[in-house]
This record gives sequence, C-alpha cells and structure tokens, in this order.
Amino acid sequence: DADVTQTPRNRITKTGKRIMLECSQTKGHDRMYWYRQDPGLGLRLIYYSFDVKDINKGEISDGYSVSRQAQAKFSLSLESAIPNQTALYFCATSDPGRLREDTQYFGPGTRLLVL
Amino acid sequence: AQKITQTQPGMFVQEKEAVTLDCTYDTSDQSYGLFWYKQPSSGEMIFLIYQGSYDEQNATEGRYSLNFQKARKSANLVISASQLGDSAMYFCAMRNKNTGNQFYFGTGTSLTVIP
Repeated sequence: DADVTQTPRNRITKTGKRIMLECSQTKGHDRMYWYRQDPGLGLRLIYYSFDVKDINKGEISDGYSVSRQAQAKFSLSLESAIPNQTALYFCATSDPGRLREDTQYFGPGTRLLVL
Repeated sequence: AQKITQTQPGMFVQEKEAVTLDCTYDTSDQSYGLFWYKQPSSGEMIFLIYQGSYDEQNATEGRYSLNFQKARKSANLVISASQLGDSAMYFCAMRNKNTGNQFYFGTGTSLTVIP
C-alpha cells in the first residue's frame, strides 16, 4: 500500500463549486504539505502543517483553506473554485529531526479541472 | 526572488551515456538541504538524492550523483549510463531552516533518453 494517498485522483468541477482534496499518510510523519504544479512553474507551496495544531500559509494560499484532522490526515479545500485553480495538486509529508530526514515524500497527485 | 534556477528546459541524451542537469540556488543561510526529484509522465514525484550544505562528500545514490559546488551555489545532478526509463521531468529543490523549512522548487528540466 502507498504511504501517502490522495483522493480523488482526478476531479472535474464547475466554477463556484466547493471542493475538498484529501490526503492520508501511513508514514507517521508529523509534517504535511500541499503543493500545486502548473506547467512551466514547478511546484508551489499552498499550505503546510508541522503538527495537528500548526497550520501555515505557503507561497500561494489565497483561495485555499486546509484542515489537519489528525496526524495522518490533511485536507485542502477550494471554497469557490475558479478556472485558474486548474492544476495538479500534490500532498507531501516529511519527518523533522536530522536535516536529511526532512526529505519530503509525495502522494500520487490529484488532477483538478475547473470549468 | 527565485531561489532555485534550472536553466535547461529540455535535454536529450543517448542511451548509456551520462548526462548532467544543472541547478543553481540562492541562499544566505549556512544550513540548507538540496534535493532532486524525478517526475515521470505518470505524474508522481520520486525522491532521488539529497545533499546537505555541510556534507563534505558529493552525494551518490546508484546511478545518480550530485555535483555540489558550494562556492558557486550549484547542485547539478549527474545520471550515469542513461536508460530509457530515465526519460522524465527532473526538479531541483532547496530547504532552508531559516525559511521555516519550506521547500523551494525549480521549474524543472525535461530529459529525453534516445535509444
């Protein structure tokens, strides 16, 4: 079984709809992240959480919100989806401690299309 | 300000040859980590190799090695004996403790291995 799972894997929605992307992990990592990937722009950080009580905005948090329901679960919401939020979304986890062990491990991604 | 620069949007290499993918970074921190990830056409992000700023030796992982030149702020990925399965996007990333351990990704290099 995959260590980091994302649901759904693909989603088509309409402008103005609320949508939630979910991420679960079995790695036991405290830190979780949400990124979006657009062609030619690489990955950009939306939100990150270092533990259940900690939520931080990343580079591009406008239009998004998150919820850290448990150590293993981190959800990303688009309250009112717009077409320029069409992208590939990744969840990632990492373990603090030694620098080397804070490598980020990624889920398989969710392809979101907003019409 | 862009922290990671990958200047090669696309590269070609003959099968069994070696290839170098360039990455330069910008930071004033003394403690940081550099990472390379592979993204095949299926979309997942696969961790390849890590180099810590205090590591004296260049990192190696199988056919992957990282040519770390600290003074030049470069962290080039070298893939030896290229295989057809190496065709993918490759992303360089950096993590600084002083920026809250956020990852900054480059825009990626598309590598195509020619039979």
